[in-house]
This record gives sequence, C-alpha cells and structure tokens, in this order.
Amino acid sequence: AAGVIQSPRHLIKEKRETATLKCYPIPRHDTVYWYQQGPGQDPQFLISFYEKMQSDKGSIPDRFSAQQFSDYHSELNMSSLELGDSALYFCASSSSGRFYNEQFFGPGTRLTVL
Amino acid sequence: DQQVKQNSPSLSVQEGRISILNCDYTNSMFDYFLWYKKYPAEGPTFLISISSIKDKNEDGRFTVFLNKSAKHLSLHIVPSQPGDSAVYFCAASAASNFGNEKLTFGTGTRLTIIP
Repeated sequence: AAGVIQSPRHLIKEKRETATLKCYPIPRHDTVYWYQQGPGQDPQFLISFYEKMQSDKGSIPDRFSAQQFSDYHSELNMSSLELGDSALYFCASSSSGRFYNEQFFGPGTRLTVL
Repeated sequence: DQQVKQNSPSLSVQEGRISILNCDYTNSMFDYFLWYKKYPAEGPTFLISISSIKDKNEDGRFTVFLNKSAKHLSLHIVPSQPGDSAVYFCAASAASNFGNEKLTFGTGTRLTIIP
C-alpha cells in the first residue's frame, strides 16, 4: 500500500539559510499535518491543511510557512534557519469524513542546521 | 504543559510475556486516542486506536483499554516479541466534523523485549 512520502530524507543547512520540505500524502487523503520532533522530545504539531486550506495552526514560528497544492501535496518552507530548528520533521495524512481518523506518518526529514 | 503523559520512559519485558504501556491525559476535550510505534530514523507507525465511547479495543496481539473517569489508557501487547522493541507513543485528539484534528503526543516509552 502507498505510504506518505517525504523529501528530502536528510537536509543540512547553514544558519540563516532557507529550506523546503515536501510531503506527498497517501492517495485520496485530503488532510496533511506537519509535526516537529526535537531530540528526545515528542512530536509537536506545527500546522495542518484540509482541502488546500489551512485547518489548524500550532507552535509554528513565523519564519515558517506551508501550503497544500491542488494535487494535495504539501510543502513546508523554513527561512532564516536557526540552530534550534534542527529536528525531525514529520508529515502525516488522513482522510476526512468520520469523526475520528487515523493519521499515517511519513518517514520524516532530518534537518540539521549548522 | 504536557497534556498527554507517559510516566515510564522505558520498560523491559521478557519475550512471550505481556507488555503494558500506560498513558495519562489531562484535557477533557480529548476523546480519541491512538498508539504509535516508532523505530529510529522512521516515522511513527499507527498501531491501534480507541474512541471515548468504548473502553476496550483489540487487534491481534494489541489491546487498548480506556478509563475515561481516570483519564488513563493502556496498551497491552501479548505475547511480546523481539520485533516489538521500539518507542511507543500515546497520542490524543478531539472529535471534529471532519475528523482531522491535530494529535497531541505523549513523551514516549522505550520498550525492550528481552529474548
């Protein structure tokens, strides 16, 4: 079965640079979520999109922005990178239509800021 | 403020025995709970979920129990197998018309199955 695809898997950037992370949801999933997991921490919700509209926003810095495109893939844009942005970034997807829906996660992008 | 807590950072269990992982939550708005398993360098893998209208859900070797009054849930794995060694995250969300609420995760429990 198709899973959530994230690219790149690893990314190394310098401070103050920009980074773009991509997420391709499971086919027919209409909701995409972004989570950030710092070292030794639990995943923290950043932002989500439903049918290409932002549906919820968590602890996402103003330096970050994201969008969901017509093919439902999503991109997380990160600017003015800081050392503290080094983390695993997970994308998850789900389908809507019921009160409860499981979220399925991609393998993550490991971002290292030097 | 940690709304979902897993008070045991680690747990070791003999192969073949039962593994019990615990999770507590504080937010009364949560009514859907999920367990994820995570290997290093991989994303969380969905294991099993339960909604607040149930107190038990079973899927193969995995059973989740929910005690709403105590705001507590647990994951039972029986029998435990070496491949179960991983970090287990408890997650919670609220219901919505579209079922696409964000997840709030616990801090995780590292389960080690001893052969």
